[in-house]
Amino acid sequence: DAMVIQNPRYQVTQFGKPVTLSCSQTLNHNVMYWYQQKSSQAPKLLFHYYDKDFNNEADTPDNFQSRRPNTSFCFLDIRSPGLGDAAMYLCATSTLNSNQPQHFGDGTRLSIL
Amino acid sequence: KQEVTQIPAALSVPEGENLVLNCSFTDSAIYNLQWFRQDPGKGLTSLLLIQSSQREQTSGRLNASLDKSSGRSTLYIAASQPGDSATYLCAVSLDSNYQLIWGAGTKLIIKP
Repeated sequence: DAMVIQNPRYQVTQFGKPVTLSCSQTLNHNVMYWYQQKSSQAPKLLFHYYDKDFNNEADTPDNFQSRRPNTSFCFLDIRSPGLGDAAMYLCATSTLNSNQPQHFGDGTRLSIL
Repeated sequence: KQEVTQIPAALSVPEGENLVLNCSFTDSAIYNLQWFRQDPGKGLTSLLLIQSSQREQTSGRLNASLDKSSGRSTLYIAASQPGDSATYLCAVSLDSNYQLIWGAGTKLIIKP
C-alpha cells in the first residue's frame, strides 16, 4: 500500500563520504519534493521537481544535489556530508493541483560519524 | 515574509478531553492551509486542507477552522485518544505554486 517509499529508512555515513538517498512513488504525481527536517523543527524544503523541471531553493547548500531520472524515482545526493547534515530527509509528492495535499514517505534518518 | 507559528510547542491532556491546537500566520494572503500529523520517526500524513475561500473542514473527530483576516487556524480534536498522540504541524501555501510555509508543530500527548 505504501505510495511514497524511501530507502533506506536509516543511513549511517562517515564525515565527507558521499551518500545517496532514494525515493520512489506509485502515485504518478508530477511534483516531487525533498525536505530536510531536524529534531523538533519544521521541514525545510531543499528542492522540488515539476516533472523534470528542477527547482532549487535559494538557501540549499551546493553540497546537496538531486536527480529525477523518471516520474517514479528521485534521488538526493549529499556530496560531502558534514555533521550538520544529520537529519531526517523526507520525500513528498503532489499533483499539479495545489489544493491537493502532499503525500510523504516515512523518511530516511541520516547519521554522520 | 510569511511566518507560521504554533503555540504551545507541547501539550499534554487526559484521554477523553476535547482540545484545540493553534496555528497563526503573518500574511493573510494565503492560497490554502493544511494540517499534518507526524508520528515519531515517520513522515507526515495530511489531515485536513482548507482552501482560502473556506472557513472549516471536518474529518471524523477532527475539525479545522480558518480565519484569514486574523491570521489564525485551529485544529479541534474531539474525545481525544492515546492514539492521537503525535506532533501536529500546520502549513500555508501562498499561491498556486507548490511551496509550503511550515510551523514547527505542537507535540501532543494524550494520557490514558
